[in-house]
Amino acid sequence: EIVLTQSPGTLSLSPGERATLSCRASQSVSSSYLAWYQQKPGQAPRLLIYGASTRVTGIPDRFGGSGSGTDFTLTISRLEPEDFAVFYCQQYGGSPPMYTFGQGTKLEIK
Amino acid sequence: EVQLVESGGGLVQPGGSLRLSCAASGFTSGAYWMTWVRQAPGKGLEWVANIKQDGSEKYYVESVKGRFTISRDNAKNSLYLQMNSLRAEDTAVYYCARVLSWYSSPFDYWGQGTLVTVSS
Repeated sequence: EIVLTQSPGTLSLSPGERATLSCRASQSVSSSYLAWYQQKPGQAPRLLIYGASTRVTGIPDRFGGSGSGTDFTLTISRLEPEDFAVFYCQQYGGSPPMYTFGQGTKLEIK
Repeated sequence: EVQLVESGGGLVQPGGSLRLSCAASGFTSGAYWMTWVRQAPGKGLEWVANIKQDGSEKYYVESVKGRFTISRDNAKNSLYLQMNSLRAEDTAVYYCARVLSWYSSPFDYWGQGTLVTVSS
């Protein structure tokens, strides 16, 4: 089973700044089957990125995903007030299906 | 507009059973794999189970195998999770979600969740 470790645990930034969130896998993630979700308090997660770098339709282009192998990054180029939330990475693509999530990074307003 | 609405959560004693439902609208639910994901209070996300469009294939996380059963009724656009032999560690918000495309892809639409509390 692949273990995903996200860092940092909490990131404190101000609106307008750039956010860089990391997700490291315990072994290589095949075909870059890595997704990112955003979850605000009291809400369900929202899919932002899949395939490591493909943005879901409707997601602002300030959200960008990159990486391959064991190291992946979610970048928010210029933070808006509504971006502050918890972000989870997810590994998928197993056969049979097996999904694992990272423990999350909380992005909070500084 | 795609909507998923869960129901059926509540307080149940250890060893008890509960059946969750998820009503889908705004899309042809029978055309998609569907899934259940849970989140313990204050914790992260855990995938629970997937089911194929026609219900012929089902997959579960190891910790619920033999206790939980995922099913669906496409005529009613509904997804279900039968939970038996519940344990305290099953306490969580349970979300139903749509699988994006192929059977092992991420989840593009989620319901608002239903809380299951296992406690005496």
